[in-house]
Amino acid sequence: EAGVTQFPSHSVIEKGQTVTLRCDPISGHDNLYWYRRVMGKEIKFLLHFVKESKQDESGMPNNRFLAERTGGTYSTLKVQPAELEDSGVYFCASSHSKTQYFGPGTRLLVL
Amino acid sequence: GNSVTQMEGPVTLSEEAFLTINCTYTATGYPSLFWYVQYPGEGLQLLLKATKADDKGSNKGFEATYRKETTSFHLEKGSVQVSDSAVYFCALVGPGANNLFFGTGTRLTVIP
Repeated sequence: EAGVTQFPSHSVIEKGQTVTLRCDPISGHDNLYWYRRVMGKEIKFLLHFVKESKQDESGMPNNRFLAERTGGTYSTLKVQPAELEDSGVYFCASSHSKTQYFGPGTRLLVL
Repeated sequence: GNSVTQMEGPVTLSEEAFLTINCTYTATGYPSLFWYVQYPGEGLQLLLKATKADDKGSNKGFEATYRKETTSFHLEKGSVQVSDSAVYFCALVGPGANNLFFGTGTRLTVIP
């Protein structure tokens, strides 16, 4: 069974540019989560999808971040425009119960 | 609210040494508790979990016991190996909730 995959693995962009991260969950998992780890701090929750609906987006830092999950399959997280403080590792996870399975993360660097 | 406090790293041990990484939590009710591990160059992997008080999670020689009275979930291993070098994250999910709350992570380096 394929695990959670994320693309790209790394992204380096300039401040003000747009970046879109993609997450493909484990097949059959209705729950999809985005998390972020900024500069060695704790991993923080961003939002939670159940199928295509946003169940909880309380962790989204501001309106420069837009997450979608069209059709309830893969999800994208777009940052527009990117700021320096958005640098970090963005993790995606999926689950069908309490246990969440994580992808390898996308390392984003905003210069 | 929910939070996890984890032992500060980094931790450096010799092979076959005993490992303890402390983790305490704050939560309303009875959360589910997890240890995740991130090996170099890889993503987060679930190491073990416990969903109720006094449960012991175990995997790959690692153990952690859910202690409600001390609100702790310390990770232990009797004899570490070089291949255990990684970053370890303690985490919880609150009752009735879905999102994970993580500690800051503890980097473990095991030297031969």
